[in-house]
Amino acid sequence: LAKTTQPISMDSYEGQEVNITCSHNNIATNDYITWYQQFPSQGPRFIIQGYKTKVTNEVASLFIPADRKSSTLSLPRVSLSDTAVYYCLVALGGSYIPTFGRGTSLIVHP
Amino acid sequence: EAGVAQSPRYKIIEKRQSVAFWCNPISGHATLYWYQQILGQGPKLLIQFQNNGVVDDSQLPKDRFSAERLKGVDSTLKIQPAKLEDSAVYLCASSLDGRTGELFFGEGSRLTVL
Repeated sequence: LAKTTQPISMDSYEGQEVNITCSHNNIATNDYITWYQQFPSQGPRFIIQGYKTKVTNEVASLFIPADRKSSTLSLPRVSLSDTAVYYCLVALGGSYIPTFGRGTSLIVHP
Repeated sequence: EAGVAQSPRYKIIEKRQSVAFWCNPISGHATLYWYQQILGQGPKLLIQFQNNGVVDDSQLPKDRFSAERLKGVDSTLKIQPAKLEDSAVYLCASSLDGRTGELFFGEGSRLTVL
């Protein structure tokens, strides 16, 4: 399984764009990249998944460079309710064993 | 559509006692996961079922933890005997077929071992 590295914590302010980068240097050819969000006292919630280039949904964008050794989750115009822990997962597309790291704790300030 | 149901939400026991957690996944989801999340850490996968077969249980402490998924639907995770370090939130998740990245999590069962 590809190991991932993320910043432990980040701070931002309401209305700003937040970019969280995840490194996964030994990603395999058939690995997908998935991001989850977790609020206190809740289970993680799927945000977005991608394989290459850019993926966008109503919540976030995911940017993946051509070498796929990193990925960036972009949250546009964050609000206080985006304060949460964000996890990056990388696993085989064929036999997916989802392994979480420590995640990035994002705090959004007023 | 109903989400993943877990019970109990909270449980307090003394060390060496036993405890069991129950999970009902989303209807039609073939893959079920049990995670342990200790405060301040990411979820740690304990066991992954595909229907009623085990896909991965490499991090399940088999001397004290057991899990089963009878008939490929509901699942039970048991700890016997419990240790202080088992204090954590036990999260159950399910996915449609285990080949995509979208897991749906329950609210978790918080265990405190005294």
